[in-house]
Amino acid sequence: GAVVSQHPSRVICKSGTSVKIECRSLDFQATTMFWYRQFPKQSLMLMATSNEGSKATYEQGVEKDKFLINHASLTLSTLTVTSAHPEDSSFYICSATPGGGRGGELFFGEGSRLTVL
Amino acid sequence: AQSVTQLGSHVSVSEGALVLLRCNYSSSVPPYLFWYVQYPNQGLQLLLKYTSAATLVKGINGFEAEFKKSETSFHLTKPSAHMSDAAEYFCAVIAGNTGGFKTIFGAGTRLFVKA
Repeated sequence: GAVVSQHPSRVICKSGTSVKIECRSLDFQATTMFWYRQFPKQSLMLMATSNEGSKATYEQGVEKDKFLINHASLTLSTLTVTSAHPEDSSFYICSATPGGGRGGELFFGEGSRLTVL
Repeated sequence: AQSVTQLGSHVSVSEGALVLLRCNYSSSVPPYLFWYVQYPNQGLQLLLKYTSAATLVKGINGFEAEFKKSETSFHLTKPSAHMSDAAEYFCAVIAGNTGGFKTIFGAGTRLFVKA
């Protein structure tokens, strides 16, 4: 199957700093990538849909200035958590699909665990 | 709007026993449904998907699911549980339109397998 790589897998930062998480599709081009946030023992919450070459579409309640998403190429999307605070600590997961249609299977990155001190 | 509901946040079975994880969907159009598995501290992996072809869908690791329109269900089963099946399982449905699709996940069911 298609491979999506996410980096870093774990990051610890101080409150007030910014953290960038990368999501790469290794063997396919992804015009659309998705960013999720997962709290312990809970489901995935879709944060935003990242479209190559255009602005991301954020879900209701997600601060676009807090969570900056850039999809500069067909194989790379980045999520930057700006001025991170302890409440931003979470497991962030990206996904991508080779097909943009309705039947598209999602391929997930390994996830990035962010801990803000 | 499309949504899925997973019944039971935790399911515990003995090794070798039948696994049954329940999922009901709500959709205004013929749904595309998925089951994903998540192991601790990892992303999700597709087990199987239904996209309006055969109603009984076979997936990886011996799992299968049956789409039942009359019951709006897409339950996941496996005849004999292995210890390695212990994980979190998510049912999901595709929502949206030609302007953009997204996957909506259920709350998840954690499967425990007892020796």
